[in-house]
Order: sequence, then structure tokens, then C-alpha cells
Amino acid sequence: EVQLVESGGGLVQPGRSLRLSCTASGFTFGDYAMSWFRQAPGKGLEWVGFIRSKAYGGTTEYAASVKGRFTISRDDSKSIAYLQMNSLKTEDTAVYYCTRGPRAFDYWGQGTLVTVSS
Amino acid sequence: DIVMTQTPLSSPVTLGQPASISCRSSQSLVHSDGNTYLSWLQQRPGQPPRLLIYKISNRFSGVPDRFSGSGAGTDFTLKISRVEAEDVGVYYCMQATQASWTFGQGTKLEIK
Repeated sequence: EVQLVESGGGLVQPGRSLRLSCTASGFTFGDYAMSWFRQAPGKGLEWVGFIRSKAYGGTTEYAASVKGRFTISRDDSKSIAYLQMNSLKTEDTAVYYCTRGPRAFDYWGQGTLVTVSS
Repeated sequence: DIVMTQTPLSSPVTLGQPASISCRSSQSLVHSDGNTYLSWLQQRPGQPPRLLIYKISNRFSGVPDRFSGSGAGTDFTLKISRVEAEDVGVYYCMQATQASWTFGQGTKLEIK
């Protein structure tokens, strides 16, 4: 059974950093691109970025709203995808979800809440 | 970025009756590889999103066959043949043809 579990969320002050993890199981993690999305309280869904599999260079793509501040990486030996978030802003407050795939997002985690507030 | 526009934004439906949600994109969603990366997701209250339909009309594993997707180019539709109580939630269309991937505003399906 495919499972994705996000962790690392919490309360953080504006300007600080936080790293989220997405731990995967039930499939060959290294074969898949992994994506991050977010959802601000009471709002719709927003794509954050994704990382390709090593077979496709392991390169990354980001939404304009986070480019230069957020970095996605992966550790295929541990089946974990990371979202490093720097220079956080209050508007980054959201539930962050990881999903499998770059174009058809078939499995989603339960999400982890990030609250950016002083 | 491609803008995705859903209508209606709210849809009160009687149990057992059909429901339909439209999604229009500001540009064609046909990718250079010939695929159209238009998906539909369901988000029940308090739950993460769930993939229903991918590439316009392909039902994901475990999705009831009362859900169907159709369309082409810039106009797409999600149909529920007979609404059940468990279908309550917000439905999003999403394009992954051209970066950045974008979503419609969401359509809230509720029971009359």
C-alpha cells in the first residue's frame, strides 16, 4: 500500500526556516518524481514544486511564489523527500502536502501544518 | 500561468441526482507529447485531496464509475451520475501541462 507521511510542520517566526519531510512507503521511491502542494487556511490548493527522479536528472521546478526561498531535495536511500523553507513569510502559512508524480498526483499524504507568525 | 476557471462555485444537489462541474483553461492543455494533463481532485471536509480523474477521462483506481470526465483543449467537465452523501466536498480541476501547475477555484458540492 502506497503511503506518504509528512512531518516537520509547526509554528515559526517570519524570516526563519523550517524543513518538512515526506516519508514514502509501498513503492519504489527512486522511480518517481515527488511534488509538494500547500493549502492556506480556508483557501484552495497551490502547487509549490517538484523534484524529478534521478533517471530524469533529479532536477527541480518551483512556483514563482517560493522560488529562491524553498528547496526540494530527496534521499532515495531513505525514501524521503524534503522541502526546505527559508525566509518564511506569514503568507506561507498553510497545510503542506506531498504527492507522488509530476503530472498525475495519485497519492497524497495527510499534510503537515506550517504556521508563520510572530 | 494558465488560469483555470470552474463553474459553478457552489452546487446544491439532491441525493441520487446528477451533478456537473465545468472547468475552462485560459490556454490549450494539450502537451507537446500529445497528452492533456487535466485532472480532477476531490477534497472531503478535513481530508487531503484525492485524485479522481487524470488525463481528462481516466478514473483513478478505486474511484466509483459514477464519476466521469470529458472534454478537450480548453473545456472540461466532471460529471457525477448519481450523487451520494459521501460525495460532499470541494472539487478541483488542475492542469499539469504547463508549469506552474494551476488549480481551479474549487466547487463546493453539498446536498440539498
